Amino acid sequence: DIQLTQSPSFLSASVGDRVTITCRASQGISSYLAWYQQKPGKAPKLLIYAASTLQSGVPSRFSGSGSGTEFTLTISSLQPEDFATYYCQQLNSYPPWTFGQGTKVEIK
Amino acid sequence: QITLKESGPTLVKPTQTLTLTCTFSGFSLSTSGVGVGWIRQPPGKALEWLALIYWDDDKRYSPSLKSRLTITKDTSKNQVVLTMTNMDPVDTATYYCTIWTEIVGFDPWGQGTLVTVSS
Repeated sequence: DIQLTQSPSFLSASVGDRVTITCRASQGISSYLAWYQQKPGKAPKLLIYAASTLQSGVPSRFSGSGSGTEFTLTISSLQPEDFATYYCQQLNSYPPWTFGQGTKVEIK
Repeated sequence: QITLKESGPTLVKPTQTLTLTCTFSGFSLSTSGVGVGWIRQPPGKALEWLALIYWDDDKRYSPSLKSRLTITKDTSKNQVVLTMTNMDPVDTATYYCTIWTEIVGFDPWGQGTLVTVSS
């Protein structure tokens, strides 16, 4: 199985901060990576697919980059509604389509 | 608008079989390139992909759970059913169903249903 490791697992940030989350794959996955946002008690919401394509309706402050084994999710200016847990998922090699362990973004 | 909703028991006993139904609207599972998947999340833990069924009835399962899972579809009813045998307390989780397409992946998701395994 392909393992995904997110870093950090937890981060504390302020409104307006630029935030970067990294996802590293145990082997190359080309650009087959998605990012999700999950708020407490809610289902995950797709933010980015194919490593860098913004899903329709997602604010442009979210961006994704990377290919191969290293990927990043960047929030250019953190907003109050962005405090949540973020997951990456690889869609290159299945089964299984593995997820990272999550990064919780909390208010400083 | 695509919507999905999971239904099934909220409590099952150890060793029992869990049957969950995903009822969806806004798309057809007979459309080429479409699938419906199941993903679960134990309380406070990360997401785990379980199974996927494609429009052509091809199926994929998580290797670690393959012996316990069965996924089926009823295209006429717009439903996908997941069964998981020999339930254990570690299977306590919120179970989500979601539509899969080749380019985008898994989006959108249902609201999820919490299943507790306890005697």
